[in-house]
Amino acid sequence: KNEVEQSPQNLTAQEGEFITINCSYSVGISALHWLQQHPGGGIVSLFMLSSGKKKHGRLIATINIQEKHSSLHITASHPRDSAVYICAVLSNFGNEKLTFGTGTRLTIIP
Amino acid sequence: ETGVTQSPTHLIKTRGQQVTLRCSSQSGHNTVSWYQQALGQGPQFIFQYYREEENGRGNFPPRFSGLQFPNYSSELNVNALELDDSALYLCASSRAGGVETQYFGPGTRLLVL
Repeated sequence: KNEVEQSPQNLTAQEGEFITINCSYSVGISALHWLQQHPGGGIVSLFMLSSGKKKHGRLIATINIQEKHSSLHITASHPRDSAVYICAVLSNFGNEKLTFGTGTRLTIIP
Repeated sequence: ETGVTQSPTHLIKTRGQQVTLRCSSQSGHNTVSWYQQALGQGPQFIFQYYREEENGRGNFPPRFSGLQFPNYSSELNVNALELDDSALYLCASSRAGGVETQYFGPGTRLLVL
């Protein structure tokens, strides 16, 4: 079992729909990252959070430390949001490495 | 403030060869982490360098080695290349040993034939 699980693996939605991507993890963490990866490989860090909720534009990220679960929401989705969204956790075992989920491929259809 | 840069962007090697990938960290960052991303997979942690010392290593064999320079730029060296080493290699820089937000470079795509 992977330490970081994401769902769904693939998601196709119509422009304007509300999108939710989920991430569950099984290890103790000091922080969780949501990352966006476009075709060609470049990764952009969207959020880093260790508790509660963060919002940036149409993106909202929440985390529940007790349940070891985080969600990334996109409101009023747009075709330019099409990308792979990756959840990564920073462990709290002293070795500050990121452990990544396999990503959710999001496609927004105009 | 310049972002994280990597070179080269693409590289083709043959099995058994050696390769060196380079990463320039973002200004003010003293930590560089290297990741390998196979096609269709999430990135896997290779190792991290903090103030020129290795600060943690993932499950990669010793033929994967690294270096960090006084200006905090970094190199990833892979010896005796294998076909399975074909992947996107990403570096990320951050402050304070990686506990803060990591900023990713565009990656180097390595193909081993």
